[in-house]
Amino acid sequence: AQSVTQLDSHVSVSEGTPVLLRCNYSSSYSPSLFWYVQHPNKGLQLLLKYTSAATLVKGINGFEAEFKKSETSFHLTKPSAHMSDAAEYFCVVSLYNFNKFYFGSGTKLNVKP
Amino acid sequence: DGGITQSPKYLFRKEGQNVTLSCEQNLNHDAMYWYRQDPGQGLRLIYYSQIVNDFQKGDIAEGYSVSREKKESFPLTVTSAQKNPTAFYLCASTRDRENTEAFFGQGTRLTVV
Repeated sequence: AQSVTQLDSHVSVSEGTPVLLRCNYSSSYSPSLFWYVQHPNKGLQLLLKYTSAATLVKGINGFEAEFKKSETSFHLTKPSAHMSDAAEYFCVVSLYNFNKFYFGSGTKLNVKP
Repeated sequence: DGGITQSPKYLFRKEGQNVTLSCEQNLNHDAMYWYRQDPGQGLRLIYYSQIVNDFQKGDIAEGYSVSREKKESFPLTVTSAQKNPTAFYLCASTRDRENTEAFFGQGTRLTVV
């Protein structure tokens, strides 16, 4: 069975400090992993994706994530938070050729001035 | 620019009425999806279609119907049988049945009163 767990429903950081959003997954197959961002009342925008190439993946807006198979984790990080990063973030697993995506429940990031 | 267009952005309906949400893509993608988003629950798959004139039920298909008469269009009908239709609905597409990234529309917020 496949599942995605985002360990924090809310994260609050100060502007300029590091961001860590945690994601663990379970999968019977080699998954592809994604992080998406959603601003209020908007669709989801892809931040980055892992598809069995380099385990450290760089995305847009300074975000990056590291795939750790031994820990079944795919945590999202950013060295320095910006006010515009305040949004909800979703970790997503998909399986090759199964055409399905499994979404975590989301983490709302609040950035304080 | 290529993308996915959902319309309308906001939709209000009376209880007991059917309502159809539009989703159009000009990305030439084969696969299209409908998700429902409720607070704190992530995204749940309603229906998906891998090819024209074919579609499959997702995890929460009861009370919904779809059609895929054209590659670029995948409308969703919320019927009166759906017990809790008020939600944010997102349409997505992927290039093909392999695990490529999903592109999302901006969503339709449906409120049933």
